[in-house]
Amino acid sequence: GQQLNQSPQSMFIQEGEDVSMNCTSSSIFNTWLWYKQDPGEGPVLLIALYKAGELTSNGRLTAQFGITRKDSFLNISASIPSDVGIYFCAGQSRPNTDKLIFGTGTRLQVFP
Amino acid sequence: EAQVTQNPRYLITVTGKKLTVTCSQNMNHEYMSWYRQDPGLGLRQIYYSMNVEVTDKGDVPEGYKVSRKEKRNFPLILESPSPNQTSLYFCASSLIGGRARYEQYFGPGTRLTVT
Repeated sequence: GQQLNQSPQSMFIQEGEDVSMNCTSSSIFNTWLWYKQDPGEGPVLLIALYKAGELTSNGRLTAQFGITRKDSFLNISASIPSDVGIYFCAGQSRPNTDKLIFGTGTRLQVFP
Repeated sequence: EAQVTQNPRYLITVTGKKLTVTCSQNMNHEYMSWYRQDPGLGLRQIYYSMNVEVTDKGDVPEGYKVSRKEKRNFPLILESPSPNQTSLYFCASSLIGGRARYEQYFGPGTRLTVT
C-alpha cells in the first residue's frame, strides 16, 4: 500500500531547541494530520489541516499544508522533555474515502 | 471519559492458536479500524468498518478477520496466528460526517508476540 515518507527518521535535541520535520508524498493529498505517540500509548491527534497553504498552531506546535499538496511540515518550538515520542503524519488522498495513509514516523528524543 | 479500549494489552501465544483482540469505544463512532505498527513501516491498516455489519479490507488483511455486530465493538480475530503477525496493534475510531471522519481516536495498543 501507499506510504508517506517522513524525515528525519529520528532526532536527538537539547531542551529548548526548535524542531522541524516533514512528510512527503508522490501523490496529492486532500487532508494532512499530525499525530504524536507517547511511549506505550496510542497516537493522539495534534493538528489537522484541510486546505493547501493552511498554517495551524496548537500551543508550541505549528503545522503547514504544503502548497503543492504533496507535503506537510510540523514545527515544535522551545522543546521540552515531554515532547519525547514518535510523530506521525497521516493523509487522505482519495475523495469520498475515510482511509488514512500514515507516515513511517519521526522519533524525537529531548535531552535536558 | 471518551476513549477506545483494547484487551489484552499484551499477549504471547503460539503459532496456530486462535486469538481475539477486543476493541470498544464509547463515543458512538460509526467508523472503526485496526492497524498494525511495525518498526520502519509506520501504521498499516488491516480492516475497517463504516458501521454495523459493514467491514472492508485495508492494506494488510491477510491472516485477519473482523466483525462488527455492535456499533461500539470491533474485535480482531487471528484464526491461526503466525510469527509474522508479531506486532503492535491499534484500534481506532471516528465519526464519519464532515471533517471529523479524519480525526481518529486510537486505543492504547496491544502488543502481540507469536512464537
